[in-house]
Amino acid sequence: QVQLVQSGAEVKKPGASVKVSCKASGYTFTALDINWVRQATGQGFEWMGSMNPSAGVTGFARKFQGRITMTSDTSVTTAYLELTNLRSEDTAVYYCARGIENGVDHWGQGTLVTVSS
Amino acid sequence: QAVLTQPASVSASPGASASLTCTLHSGINVGTYKIYWYRQKPGSPPQYVLSYRSESDIHRGSGDPSRFSGSKDASANAGILLISGLQPEDEADYYCLIWRSDAYFFGTGTKVTVL
Repeated sequence: QVQLVQSGAEVKKPGASVKVSCKASGYTFTALDINWVRQATGQGFEWMGSMNPSAGVTGFARKFQGRITMTSDTSVTTAYLELTNLRSEDTAVYYCARGIENGVDHWGQGTLVTVSS
Repeated sequence: QAVLTQPASVSASPGASASLTCTLHSGINVGTYKIYWYRQKPGSPPQYVLSYRSESDIHRGSGDPSRFSGSKDASANAGILLISGLQPEDEADYYCLIWRSDAYFFGTGTKVTVL
């Protein structure tokens, strides 16, 4: 079955960077996009960007321009999200989600990133 | 105005039906979009419920029962998720999603309470 397993919680100081991983299994990793979505506590969802593991970045939200890097390692079927210059408002649960036709289906379990001095 | 607006809460009794709406911004025509629906319980990631573009383009997520159905109300410019025969385990937050202009947009979310 399709699974997306993410790395563990992180605590970072303002100005630092964080890298979250998402290991995929149960399907052909290079065939579908991986999307990154975040959710602040008690809030809704915010799409950050998406990438195809074989073709590269397919899009990202403008507000993250200059701070977001999405990569993948097909040899270990893992996607990565790096967010730099962290601020307190970046505190959220970060999810990876598999892309299908104009949507997403399977989600990772989420990674809590806390930004605090 | 948000791209996708959902009512903050919907309540219904066990066994009843609950209709959840996802209203698109007035500048966007619901007819052309595939609307995805997700259910999220506290402390868990979202679960894909179903997607709906038209009667000939519906897909249910794995493991979800036929109690969930999708539709559109063109007059209201909204997508609809209907939950029939409400059960206590349906109590959750529900979100809609569309892909537009090279970006994903999520709805504001509806908390479903089973009374």
